[in-house]
Amino acid sequence: GESVGLHLPTLSVQEGDNSIINCAYSNSASDYFIWYKQESGKGPQFIIDIRSNMDKRQGQRVTVLLNKTVKHLSLQIAATQPGDSAVYFCAENAGGTSYGKLTFGQGTILTVHP
Amino acid sequence: DGGITQSPKYLFRKEGQNVTLSCEQNLNHDAMYWYRQDPGQGLRLIYYSQIVNDFQKGDIAEGYSVSREKKESFPLTVTSAQKNPTAFYLCASSRDRDSPLHFGNGTRLTVT
Repeated sequence: GESVGLHLPTLSVQEGDNSIINCAYSNSASDYFIWYKQESGKGPQFIIDIRSNMDKRQGQRVTVLLNKTVKHLSLQIAATQPGDSAVYFCAENAGGTSYGKLTFGQGTILTVHP
Repeated sequence: DGGITQSPKYLFRKEGQNVTLSCEQNLNHDAMYWYRQDPGQGLRLIYYSQIVNDFQKGDIAEGYSVSREKKESFPLTVTSAQKNPTAFYLCASSRDRDSPLHFGNGTRLTVT
């Protein structure tokens, strides 16, 4: 079936650096994408989303880029802080009548060193 | 504060027993979902409900059951038929199809 995957399972950065987390998706019908942050023992926390009619969206210190040509999604975190250390998941909605049925990637572990 | 409450946070059961996980939301969201998360893996959809008194199977519904008698509540029962019930269970809700899911903080179920 269709799935969402990640290029890198772990990412280590120094505090203050910019982080880029990548995600590949295979379902060309997907029209809505979300990034979540999950800290240990907690539920995923919404970071930012983007619809397929856009290729870039910015939030506070985060930017999501969508390249539909190569089916690639990325999350950029500016000036990464130790509090950003967590597992990051991308998720896609396959479109049609899929009411909120998100397909999640396996996650990338981000570690920020002081 | 609006949000999703899952209880209990930790749950222990003996093999062969059914167990029910609670999920309550006060966000006035129509849709609710149950996901399962295993160590080092993404989330997999168990059941979802778009409206009261209606629900659909997700990708891994076998061994689970749900009910949706009230808009605010979507309890999940893990039955003895579920072969590998030990996992982290996450409940979520969304306002509509094109809105992000909001998650609770999960229930960690251990079956021995």
